[in-house]
Amino acid sequence: AQTVTQSQPEMSVQEAETVTLSCTYDTSESDYYLFWYKQPPSRQMILVIRQEAYKQQNATENRFSVNFQKAAKSFSLKISDSQLGDAAMYFCAHKVGNTGNQFYFGTGTSLTVIP
Amino acid sequence: KAGVTQTPRYLIKTRGQQVTLSCSPISGHRSVSWYQQTPGQGLQFLFEYFSETQRNKGNFPGRFSGRQFSNSRSEMNVSTLELGDSALYLCASSPTGQGTYEQYFGPGTRLTVT
Repeated sequence: AQTVTQSQPEMSVQEAETVTLSCTYDTSESDYYLFWYKQPPSRQMILVIRQEAYKQQNATENRFSVNFQKAAKSFSLKISDSQLGDAAMYFCAHKVGNTGNQFYFGTGTSLTVIP
Repeated sequence: KAGVTQTPRYLIKTRGQQVTLSCSPISGHRSVSWYQQTPGQGLQFLFEYFSETQRNKGNFPGRFSGRQFSNSRSEMNVSTLELGDSALYLCASSPTGQGTYEQYFGPGTRLTVT
């Protein structure tokens, strides 16, 4: 079974500071992909960053980066220089590579950015 | 390109009724997935359609069904509505479903069952 766990229901960060959101997953598959999605109060889910399991290098997208620890099945998201617009619910998601588009989501972390 | 669109955006139904939700994927995308989002359960996968065929199915009762048309538009139907079906229903599209393609989500349909 594929599971995704986000142990931090809520997090807060001061504007311009750095915050790390945690995610662990469980899978027996070797071909899989990991994602972080952001869901602002408007409810439109937006992709933040993605990581292919076969890549050792951690993905980076501007102020967003991940720490992918394959052996530990950990996939944390680091947001640098936090901005007010980063306030949202963040979901970690996992997809097995060869089975179509069945995504498994964590329960989410609500991020508050304090001015 | 236009994004994923879902209609209607809001819906209020009574227990026992049925409802149909619609999703239009991004042009060229052939995979459409549906998710139910609730505060208690988070996002749960309902099913995925690819080229008019159901490719994956989540653990939902048979009251939840879907279909996909030749233009990749998809509909989801819930029969005999229950109070617990109140949720945000999200549709997501993807080009094919293999490889690293992420899903692009629509704004959702907020269903309230009274």
